[in-house]
Amino acid sequence: EVVLTQSPGTLSLSPGERATLSCRASQSVIGDFLAWYQQKPGQAPRLLIFGTSTRATGIPDRFSGTGSGTDFTLSISRLEPEDFAVYYCHHTTFGQGTKVEIK
Amino acid sequence: QVQLQESGPGLVKPSETLSLTCTVSGASVNSGSHYWSWIRQPPGKGLEWIGDIYYTGSTNYNPSLKSRITMSINTSKNQFSLNLSSVTAADTAVYYCARTVLYYDSRGYYSGAQYFQIWGQGTLVTVSS
Repeated sequence: EVVLTQSPGTLSLSPGERATLSCRASQSVIGDFLAWYQQKPGQAPRLLIFGTSTRATGIPDRFSGTGSGTDFTLSISRLEPEDFAVYYCHHTTFGQGTKVEIK
Repeated sequence: QVQLQESGPGLVKPSETLSLTCTVSGASVNSGSHYWSWIRQPPGKGLEWIGDIYYTGSTNYNPSLKSRITMSINTSKNQFSLNLSSVTAADTAVYYCARTVLYYDSRGYYSGAQYFQIWGQGTLVTVSS
């Protein structure tokens, strides 16, 4: 089983800043088949990125995914107020999540 | 617009069976293009994939839950369902259904990985006597 470890646990930033979220896999991810989800309080998760770098329908281009092998990154170029949420990476299992909070 | 809606009892007694149904609108569960999954999230915790089902009835289950899971699909009602037996307090969670895309490797074999394209709003199931 591939274990995904996300860091940091919490990221405190201001609107307009850049966010960089890390997801590290315990072994190489087959085919770079990695996805990212955003979850706001009381809501279901929403697919942001699949296949490491492909944005899902309707996702703004300030969200980008990169990486390969065991190291993957979700970047948010300029944080908007609606981007403060918890983010999960996922392959066959989910990472534990990174909370992006307002500083 | 594709929508998924979970339904079922919000309270289940320990040792009994949790039963949930997901009703799909705006898409057909027998389109052949997608699998259909259940995912859960204990209060204040992370996400756990439970399993998925294809319109043919073919299933993939989380190995840690496999012995207690049964999933089924009803194409005439455009629904799919989850039964989780012998529940304990540890099964208390928000249960989500989701439209799912499986990843296949370069040889065309299922890689074991998937992504969840569209989610239902979720339903809280509490296990308590």
